[in-house]
Amino acid sequence: AQSVTQPDIHITVSEGASLELRCNYSYGATPYLFWYVQSPGQGLQLLLKYFSGDTLVQGIKGFEAEFKRSQSSFNLRKPSVHWSDAAEYFCAVVWGDTGRRALTFGSGTRLQVQP
Amino acid sequence: GAGVSQSPSNKVTEKGKDVELRCDPISGHTALYWYRQSLGQGLEFLIYFQGNSAPDKSGLPSDRFSAERTGGSVSTLTIQRTQQEDSAVYLCASRTGTGGNSPLHFGNGTRLTVT
Repeated sequence: AQSVTQPDIHITVSEGASLELRCNYSYGATPYLFWYVQSPGQGLQLLLKYFSGDTLVQGIKGFEAEFKRSQSSFNLRKPSVHWSDAAEYFCAVVWGDTGRRALTFGSGTRLQVQP
Repeated sequence: GAGVSQSPSNKVTEKGKDVELRCDPISGHTALYWYRQSLGQGLEFLIYFQGNSAPDKSGLPSDRFSAERTGGSVSTLTIQRTQQEDSAVYLCASRTGTGGNSPLHFGNGTRLTVT
């Protein structure tokens, strides 16, 4: 079955430090990739997406992600974390070649930011 | 502009009762999704509507769960004979187009508690 894996359930970083959240997906010829953020008490907000082209995509709030087909990965990065980035982050994939249009989500990574 | 609206925002019900959860998608969005988010878990796909096509019900966990979408707009998710394990946040999302590469816009969810 097609799946999305976020290996880190919980990550703690210091404010100002760099951040990388990992996401791996099972093989599919045409993955469409997304990162969403869910702040406490808030709905899910799209951070960025990758469909094709440049494998390094920029998103909102200073986030970026790099698609690596050879590693089936789409890791999310930020050079300098702010306290307001504390939230839960979800990676999601649609496999464009399957005809299924529902996003499959990873189980999420909860980010804690220390002052 | 108006986003995806879900009601009620919170619902407490007794075990065995039926509940209905409502979703108003963004106007003009042809695709509508229901997801479930249990405590500490990722998002679990439930059902997907696309225009006038037959819905993809592959994610519904049991026959107690059903959903309809009237007039290609508002959707209602019904859970019959609720059980405690149904307690979760039920999220609705919509998007435009039929391709897999347009992002989902999420509502803030309905938090269901079954006592």
